[in-house]
Amino acid sequence: GIQVEQSPPDLILQEGANSTLRCNFSDSVNNLQWFHQNPWGQLINLFYIPSGTKQNGRLSATTVATERYSLLYISSSQTTDSGVYFCAVGSYGNNRLAFGKGNQVVVIP
Amino acid sequence: GAVVSQHPSRVICKSGTSVKIECRSLDFQATTMFWYRQFPKKSLMLMATSNEGSKATYEQGVEKDKFLINHASLTLSTLTVTSAHPEDSSFYICSARDQTIMNTEAFFGQGTRLTVV
Repeated sequence: GIQVEQSPPDLILQEGANSTLRCNFSDSVNNLQWFHQNPWGQLINLFYIPSGTKQNGRLSATTVATERYSLLYISSSQTTDSGVYFCAVGSYGNNRLAFGKGNQVVVIP
Repeated sequence: GAVVSQHPSRVICKSGTSVKIECRSLDFQATTMFWYRQFPKKSLMLMATSNEGSKATYEQGVEKDKFLINHASLTLSTLTVTSAHPEDSSFYICSARDQTIMNTEAFFGQGTRLTVV
């Protein structure tokens, strides 16, 4: 099946700093989503972005499908941004999502 | 966005008993739902694909008789952990997508934290 790699696995940020999370995948995809898992386990949808660029407040994401990677940008980080960020992809003809191992982000005041 | 509701959010049961977890799509119909399992500080692992009106498709290594899936309607899938043991303790989470819309995102339930004592 399709492989998903996220980097860096762990990231510690000072409040106010910017960061970039990366997701590499091994095959063509027709679905790519970024999630933030909150402390209670709920997966919060951040972006549905199989290609192109989107922005939502301090977060933005870019997927370059031809080069098989996606980036999640966090600007002016806040302590509430702490948590695990997951990238998940779906390939053509397959409704399932394959998840990366996540980026554990800690934002310190 | 679409809403997926999962119940219960937390359950503690005794070894040997069975536990049923419900996953509902609240504002759309889902012919397919997915069940995942997550161990502490790990990623989500797909357990099975739940198909409305037919048998579920299980991933390799997942015991069909241990994790019974029923998808009896277009808005409800259930996962029953049968004869639960402590090693079944985990976080279980379901997802669904509104398949009437082309190329749309998947939404996840709140998850169920199962503790078997």
